[in-house]
Amino acid sequence: QKEVEQNSGPLSVPEGAIASLNCTYSDRVSQSFFWYRQYSGKSPELIMSIYSNGDKEDGRFTAQLNKASQYVSLLIRDSQPSDSATYLCAVTRGAGNQFYFGTGTSLTVIP
Amino acid sequence: DAGVIQSPRHEVTEMGQEVTLRCKPISGHNSLFWYRQTMMRGLELLIYFNNNVPIDDSGMPEDRFSAKMPNASFSTLKIQPSEPRDSAVYFCASSLGRGRTGELFFGEGSRLTVL
Repeated sequence: QKEVEQNSGPLSVPEGAIASLNCTYSDRVSQSFFWYRQYSGKSPELIMSIYSNGDKEDGRFTAQLNKASQYVSLLIRDSQPSDSATYLCAVTRGAGNQFYFGTGTSLTVIP
Repeated sequence: DAGVIQSPRHEVTEMGQEVTLRCKPISGHNSLFWYRQTMMRGLELLIYFNNNVPIDDSGMPEDRFSAKMPNASFSTLKIQPSEPRDSAVYFCASSLGRGRTGELFFGEGSRLTVL
């Protein structure tokens, strides 16, 4: 079983809609959770981090964490064509500092 | 800050040749990571250093791969001999350290093609 699993997509939404991206992780001792965005040919960049159960909002982005279900999600409100990218879920676990990434979900926002 | 700096950005080589990828982490960051990214397998953690010491190299595919961090500002990933299946984008990343650490900063990556 992979450490982090994501639906690879592709996910297509119309401009202005809500995009919902999901991620599950296998290790219950996972401590920190992140969403990275990666444009084609570029390196990943952090867009959200979340450490406690519940929701965390930052502008148009909302991260949701449910540790009991081992589930992390990212909602993008008012999706824009510039949001078209691959979104990577990452977790860290244990006493170490290793970041484990999912394979990413490709999002296309259609104008 | 200049960010994480990787070189070369692109490398094309022939099977059997030695490849050396280089990384300069962000000044003050004490954790450094090497990742490999392919379409099939996504981002794979190869090795992780903390304070220049290798902490976890369980992701290094085989003995052909080796990584060093001689000081806080420089790391190398070496593949010898290289094989076509090593073709991928190799990312170096750094962060502030252990525990609830926050952001992982990536370099621009080194795209390796082994013919």
